[in-house]
Amino acid sequence: ETGVTQSPTHLIKTRGQQVTLRCSSQSGHNTVSWYQQALGQGPQFIFQYYREEENGRGNFPPRFSGLQFPNYSSELNVNALELDDSALYLCASSLSRASTDTQYFGPGTRLTVL
Amino acid sequence: RKEVEQDPGPFNVPEGATVAFNCTYSNSASQSFFWYRQDCRKEPKLLMSVYSSGNEDGRFTAQLNRASQYISLLIRDSKLSDSATYLCVVNSMNRDDKIIFGKGTRLHILP
Repeated sequence: ETGVTQSPTHLIKTRGQQVTLRCSSQSGHNTVSWYQQALGQGPQFIFQYYREEENGRGNFPPRFSGLQFPNYSSELNVNALELDDSALYLCASSLSRASTDTQYFGPGTRLTVL
Repeated sequence: RKEVEQDPGPFNVPEGATVAFNCTYSNSASQSFFWYRQDCRKEPKLLMSVYSSGNEDGRFTAQLNRASQYISLLIRDSKLSDSATYLCVVNSMNRDDKIIFGKGTRLHILP
């Protein structure tokens, strides 16, 4: 296993609600990236955190926000949930923010928005 | 043109056969290339990085063609356990050096 953990594993919410997803990075890794993977699609980059600062953001609206803590664990927050937010949310930790570093993924959180 | 494009498949291949996938990328400045494997309802896992000179890991061979802007993955002597989705990953020089995933190619190895 990668040592990257995510919680919860599954979540059901209704439109308009808010959700917080959590990720613990692999020991020694200071970078966490978040991805959204819809059914039948590849993971889409949401944002990356490096040493508690946002280090790049994909094409996602501001209602997707995040945090990284001093122990390098991270949270993804989504406000005003929409039906299209239903997806698998993956976090990946890496040794550094360089794109050459291997990304180690957690098992994901499957979010369903009704 | 999409940044990373893959044939979604599925590729249905008999056990023991050789199968190859290609993946095209749009940014000629891209420098990092990877193949990830994703099993059904699981997270992606790194299969192999792709180096300029091509590289091999057991039954798997990855190659890069910069002139035509594609990478390839060849699987020899395919096993039932190779059934998965194979994701092509390229770094995006347009977006702070982040990586971009393709949609994946589904492979089914048939007994």
